[in-house]
Amino acid sequence: SYELTQPPSVSVSPGQTASITCSGDKLGNKYACWYQQKPGQSPVLVIYQDTKRPSGIPERFSGSKSGNTATLTISGTQSMDEADYYCQAWDSSTADVVFGGGTKLTVL
Amino acid sequence: QVTLRESGPALVKPTQTLTLTCIFSGFSLSTSGMCVGWIRQPPGKALEWLALIDWDDDKYYSTSLKTRLTISKDTSKNQVVLTMTDMDPVDTATYYCARMRIVGATRAFDIWGQGTMVAVSS
Repeated sequence: SYELTQPPSVSVSPGQTASITCSGDKLGNKYACWYQQKPGQSPVLVIYQDTKRPSGIPERFSGSKSGNTATLTISGTQSMDEADYYCQAWDSSTADVVFGGGTKLTVL
Repeated sequence: QVTLRESGPALVKPTQTLTLTCIFSGFSLSTSGMCVGWIRQPPGKALEWLALIDWDDDKYYSTSLKTRLTISKDTSKNQVVLTMTDMDPVDTATYYCARMRIVGATRAFDIWGQGTMVAVSS
């Protein structure tokens, strides 16, 4: 089955830039999206179609992709950005929606 | 305003069948490109996609769980129902429904429900 791999944790100092990666076989041929999930809350879509930001999502959130690795970048990270982040893609060969294992972002 | 809300039992016994209902508003599941999916999250663990139904009544299931899952919709009632058979304690999780809009090859859940916690225990 298709898998997306994320680092379990990333730490960043307030005001600095955080980068969270998501890698998968042939991810370069698929669209990736990213969700933010704070404790006790439902996930929120922050990036879709690799680089697009839904309305209402702060500009400090951006997405990119190089080869088979997608990256979520948070510029000027704030304490409110501390959360779990999940990448997701769609495997057209099986029609499966696939989530990464999640990355816990700590702002300290 | 688009909203989704999940409902179902908080506790089921092992081997029982779980039935969850997602009631949504603010969009129509008969509109081209619209889908509703189910995703679950065991306590402290990652999100896991379960099933998806689209505007054309096409149904998609997680490869690993498809023998246990059935998804259906009632467009007139703005409802999507998921059944999962043969429940086991490892199925204890928060179950979410979420909207997906298909635009080309883009597949992303843009609006999520609040989730409903289901425990499996005798």
